Amino acid sequence: SSELTQDPAVSVALGQTVRITCQGDSLRTYYASWYQQKPGQAPLLVFYGKNNRPSGIPDRFSGSSSGNTASLTITGTQAEDEADYYCCSRDKTGDQKVFGGGTKLTIL
Amino acid sequence: QLQLQESGPGLVKPSETLSLICTVSGRSIRSSPFYWGWIRQPPGKGLEWIGNIYYSGSVFYNPSLRSRVSISTDVSENHFSLNLGSVTAADTAVYYCARQRFSPQSFYDGSDDAFDIWGQGKIVTVSS
Repeated sequence: SSELTQDPAVSVALGQTVRITCQGDSLRTYYASWYQQKPGQAPLLVFYGKNNRPSGIPDRFSGSSSGNTASLTITGTQAEDEADYYCCSRDKTGDQKVFGGGTKLTIL
Repeated sequence: QLQLQESGPGLVKPSETLSLICTVSGRSIRSSPFYWGWIRQPPGKGLEWIGNIYYSGSVFYNPSLRSRVSISTDVSENHFSLNLGSVTAADTAVYYCARQRFSPQSFYDGSDDAFDIWGQGKIVTVSS
């Protein structure tokens, strides 16, 4: 079982704002990174750390962290944002990495 | 432009060893500050971290796979490798290699930790 917990599925109306969450004890210590994965494609890094967005990622993607929860927020969702989203962080030992189970985002 | 490419057999028999290579082009595997990692994804399921290696040889493994897995680097060939022994059908997955960035601060709070470059993935089926 994953040490990081994500809601299996979330839906949002086109143009609205959605928050995808990731919970785990290790998140009280370590920041998360977030990945977007579309069918048949490799994951794509969309946000990481306290406030880092890779070059080429739209600024509608943002991240935050509070207590044992990390969040990825998409402001003004677009149709192309429909995908699976995964969080990743270190485990409590700090030596290993762990992924959340993933959230399937549906744009209505 | 940095690119990663997985290669190796797409079909492995049960109880045998799965061996994959990730060839890094566009940058030396010695470049810092980066780890080089393997992640897999069984059909229809989520991502699972397998392990990371630094070019000097420091390696970290998923505890659930540690008894069967080995990751190594070949600096002269600019690639890193995955070996997973005693495979079963449960090891059938898409195997990705990826570069993981980090910083000294990462060891304290995980800031800058991220798999920022991924290979396209290699489908490996375990079947007789």
